[in-house]
Amino acid sequence: GAGVSQSPSNKVTEKGKDVELRCDPISGHTALYWYRQRLGQGLEFLIYFQGNSAPDKSGLPSDRFSAERTGESVSTLTIQRTQQEDSAVYLCASSPAWGQGAGEQYFGPGTRLTVT
Amino acid sequence: AQSVSQHNHHVILSEAASLELGCNYSYGGTVNLFWYVQYPGQHLQLLLKYFSGDPLVKGIKGFEAEFIKSKFSFNLRKPSVQWSDTAEYFCAVSGNTGGFKTIFGAGTRLFVKA
Repeated sequence: GAGVSQSPSNKVTEKGKDVELRCDPISGHTALYWYRQRLGQGLEFLIYFQGNSAPDKSGLPSDRFSAERTGESVSTLTIQRTQQEDSAVYLCASSPAWGQGAGEQYFGPGTRLTVT
Repeated sequence: AQSVSQHNHHVILSEAASLELGCNYSYGGTVNLFWYVQYPGQHLQLLLKYFSGDPLVKGIKGFEAEFIKSKFSFNLRKPSVQWSDTAEYFCAVSGNTGGFKTIFGAGTRLFVKA
């Protein structure tokens, strides 16, 4: 079956503009995660969804960042008033289950965001 | 605070050399442990995982990792690396005290010389 898909694959935007990044998880996967990876750095946790509920939003860098998920389907990550430090690859992953003994994540190809 | 530390940022080995990548974590409660790999131009993918039971787990492509609870470590090993193992390797942990939020290490870039 299809894997996790993300769109767009690349996005160049001007500072101050809003951007919306999309993630389509693997069908039936309960959990969905968003990460940010800056050049040369590891994965920075942003937010996760269990179904369409987001129990932990503590990783969102500022109130310019928000995310939502429709049921156990598509998720969008929105960055308002983008800044140059938002430039990074934004990765989405999904997982078929949640909790102890679960959590193997399937990653999408990422969206490379460049803020000029 | 929950964290994962990978000791080596860059490792260069010749083919057939043995590999050990260090990973230590700080995460209370019961943990799930993972190693992910990202080959050049490809997505992150799972290499191996530990949930419970035998602390020595085997993954794909001859990799294995050992969970040592007393040392909060989950080091990755391979007896003999190949050029095709050139990739970036990430250690990750999740657990019940963190609501199963997954924390990733900064990654280790491995380059294997042919």
